[in-house]
Amino acid sequence: DAKTTQPPSMDCAEGRAANLPCNHSTISGNEYVYWYRQIHSQGPQYIIHGLKNNETNEMASLIITEDRKSSTLILPHATLRDTAVYYCIVRVGDAGGTSYGKLTFGQGTILTVHP
Amino acid sequence: NAGVTQTPKFRILKIGQSMTLQCTQDMNHNYMYWYRQDPGMGLKLIYYSVGAGITDKGEVPNGYNVSRSTTEDFPLRLELAAPSQTSVYFCASSIAPRGGHEQYFGPGTRLTVT
Repeated sequence: DAKTTQPPSMDCAEGRAANLPCNHSTISGNEYVYWYRQIHSQGPQYIIHGLKNNETNEMASLIITEDRKSSTLILPHATLRDTAVYYCIVRVGDAGGTSYGKLTFGQGTILTVHP
Repeated sequence: NAGVTQTPKFRILKIGQSMTLQCTQDMNHNYMYWYRQDPGMGLKLIYYSVGAGITDKGEVPNGYNVSRSTTEDFPLRLELAAPSQTSVYFCASSIAPRGGHEQYFGPGTRLTVT
């Protein structure tokens, strides 16, 4: 699975959009970009994933560059409850071969939302 | 629909003791995983299972054993606890991960070995 690079920490004011970048310059054509977050002491929570196109759900938007070498997770109106560690993970979509669906977690980005 | 449940929430073990961490999911997911998370670090995969009766090692399997006799349950066994196994353990499950399916995580078990 491709390696990802994220800034170690970011701040955001409550009510503003939080834009979290992720670099995955060695991504392969069959690898998806996933975002998870982990609120203090809890299990990781799935946020969103995408392959090529931009994606949006009730939690966030995912913008993937045309060359797929980087992406941005957007929380449109951050709240204090969005303070968490955000993980960008690149993973093969198919369960075949050696991927078996495992997620490789890096250090992530600590997002702090302040009043 | 409870999702993924784990017991116990907390446990303190003495060196050399053994215990089983329980994990149950009610979503009829075939794939299940055990991860550990050391302080300030990301999660590392211990073992995984692609269905009842099938298990395999992940990145850090030493000191652990698993079994998968049913679709719902995926217990993790520590036979001879060591201080290096002090960690938070998370169980997760997913549908067969083709085309990008998410994993659902349990709340974790916090284990201290002294």
